[in-house]
Amino acid sequence: QKEVEQDPGPLSVPEGAIVSLNCTYSNSAFQYFMWYRQYSRKGPELLMYTYSSGNKEDGRFTAQVDKSSKYISLFIRDSQPSDSATYLCAMSGRSGAGNMLTFGGGTRLMVKP
Amino acid sequence: NAGVTQTPKFQVLKTGQSMTLQCAQDMNHNSMYWYRQDPGMGLRLIYYSASEGTTDKGEVPNGYNVSRLNKREFSLRLESAAPSQTSVYFCASRVGTSSNQPQHFGDGTRLSIL
Repeated sequence: QKEVEQDPGPLSVPEGAIVSLNCTYSNSAFQYFMWYRQYSRKGPELLMYTYSSGNKEDGRFTAQVDKSSKYISLFIRDSQPSDSATYLCAMSGRSGAGNMLTFGGGTRLMVKP
Repeated sequence: NAGVTQTPKFQVLKTGQSMTLQCAQDMNHNSMYWYRQDPGMGLRLIYYSASEGTTDKGEVPNGYNVSRLNKREFSLRLESAAPSQTSVYFCASRVGTSSNQPQHFGDGTRLSIL
């Protein structure tokens, strides 16, 4: 079983829809949670970062972490065709030298005009 | 703004051939990383360098070697390529080693081994 599970999709939604992307994890030591966006043929870019439990909002994006359920989510409001990409969750257990990111497999999102 | 530059972008090798993937960053970052990305597997860390002069194994180091040539450059070498190493390879850099600092990725090297 992978440490971080993510539905690969693809997830297809109409423009303007609210999108919910999710990851589950098994390692209770994870406390730093990130969402990366990856366009086709490009490297991942950091979208959201959250430490421990709670919510964080940035424009149309909201990240939620529920450590008790080992479940994290990314919500995209008013989705746009430019949001079409693969979304990767990533997490790590500690900071400092030697901390490593564990990635989910990514969810491919398609937003149709 | 170059950021993280990887060369080459594409490469086809035959089994047993050797190759070095190059990575350079112009952001004065201390930490650098090599990942491989396979379908459905996410990114998996091969090796990393927390600072100039140090390198450490990641999750999947077997079959690879690395060199932190200087602060800017971090290369990945396949001594004897195998078909299982067919993948997309990403280099990343970060200011330090704190988890709240983002990793900046290059656009990858697509490597096929026949």
